[in-house]
Amino acid sequence: DSGVTQTPKHLITATGQRVTLRCSPRSGDLSVYWYQQSLDQGLQFLIQYYNGEERAKGNILERFSAQQFPDLHSELNLSSLELGDSALYFCASSPTTGTGELFFGEGSRLTVL
Amino acid sequence: DQQVKQNSPSLSVQEGRISILNCDYTNSMFDYFLWYKKYPAEGPTFLISISSIKDKNEDGRFTVFLNKSAKHLSLHIVPSQPGDSAVYFCAPRSGGGSEKLVFGKGTKLTVNP
Repeated sequence: DSGVTQTPKHLITATGQRVTLRCSPRSGDLSVYWYQQSLDQGLQFLIQYYNGEERAKGNILERFSAQQFPDLHSELNLSSLELGDSALYFCASSPTTGTGELFFGEGSRLTVL
Repeated sequence: DQQVKQNSPSLSVQEGRISILNCDYTNSMFDYFLWYKKYPAEGPTFLISISSIKDKNEDGRFTVFLNKSAKHLSLHIVPSQPGDSAVYFCAPRSGGGSEKLVFGKGTKLTVNP
């Protein structure tokens, strides 16, 4: 158990819809990262938050947005969903400093039909 | 543009033998190189890392070698065990103040009893 909690574990929805994925980081970790893993692909970095502020941005679509709340949990909002958005979405957290080790949740599997 | 390449999608070895997983990268700014292991239906878990100023790091059965001039690293597992069967991701850290990890596509290791 990494200590990172993601909900929901599975989500099935239709094209054009909007969903919200939620992440609770490990206790004490201020950084939260979101990654997307499509079929047979590596994990693609989407966005990082640190203590409520956006720290780094990757290849995140404009239809996607995220935020980190004062209690440090984070949400990833996906809107106008397309078939190609079907993927595993991982959240990870890390301490403020260190050698780069991220602690990953079990992921949210999104299926867009 | 793939900054991190794991050219072998899969690898099969016999129990007790050595497993060697390879990773090539293009970005000279990477400052730490991490390996993650992933079982089905679970998030990636940290395995071992190496700083860019080192050429070898060992932890039990796992050793990572870094060749900066060739921009190549490898993970050696010896002796391999059936429980090592998983997908292994090479994940360098961006460096330059960024803490995000850049993942390769992974190598699926199967250790046969």
